[in-house]
Amino acid sequence: DGGITQSPKYLFRKEGQNVTLSCEQNLNHDAMYWYRQDPGQGLRLIYYSQIVNDFQKGDIAEGYSVSREKKESFPLTVTSAQKNPTAFYLCALAGLYGYTFGSGTRLTVV
Amino acid sequence: GIQVEQSPPDLILQEGANSTLRCNFSDSVNNLQWFHQNPWGQLINLFYIPSGTKQNGRLSATTVATERYSLLYISSSQTTDSGVYFCAVDPFYSNFGNEKLTFGTGTRLTIIP
Repeated sequence: DGGITQSPKYLFRKEGQNVTLSCEQNLNHDAMYWYRQDPGQGLRLIYYSQIVNDFQKGDIAEGYSVSREKKESFPLTVTSAQKNPTAFYLCALAGLYGYTFGSGTRLTVV
Repeated sequence: GIQVEQSPPDLILQEGANSTLRCNFSDSVNNLQWFHQNPWGQLINLFYIPSGTKQNGRLSATTVATERYSLLYISSSQTTDSGVYFCAVDPFYSNFGNEKLTFGTGTRLTIIP
């Protein structure tokens, strides 16, 4: 099955814990992105990567970290420094005809 | 950074009605996309349309780049059209290798049977 895969779909975290959200692709795209969506809001950019071993901060990078060790994978870690981590997280790829999004991960802090 | 405004914020229509959603943006763009977010959160790419007009079934979109706006038309609405419609842009001034989408706040469309 081709495309972009995010896992897990739902994630529960205790306060003070770090969690890692997975984003994998098999479309051979260079550019990958992480967005955050809060209820009733648009999407805001957390981090993005245009090439392996390189990534840039987006508009709301504080409390998050990423890695891009291989082209297929762009995991996002939500650290304990993120004050309001409960949100819907979406990963995206950029291709010739625009962006394609994964199905998202809903993170809840309990 | 670039500003993206969508209107109206909410729209409630009877099944079968037509609708027009608007997206205004504050600067020239390389990329403009319309997305539909379904009730499960999935973002579906409707149109990649930095300029011109495109049609796909009951949906069509027009971007007038010189006047910095885009319109999404939905004809003969169905209940499955319900959800949130987002406009997103990549500004013209972004350098190669630094492209990223900025989203509007969306239009929530509700189609009543």
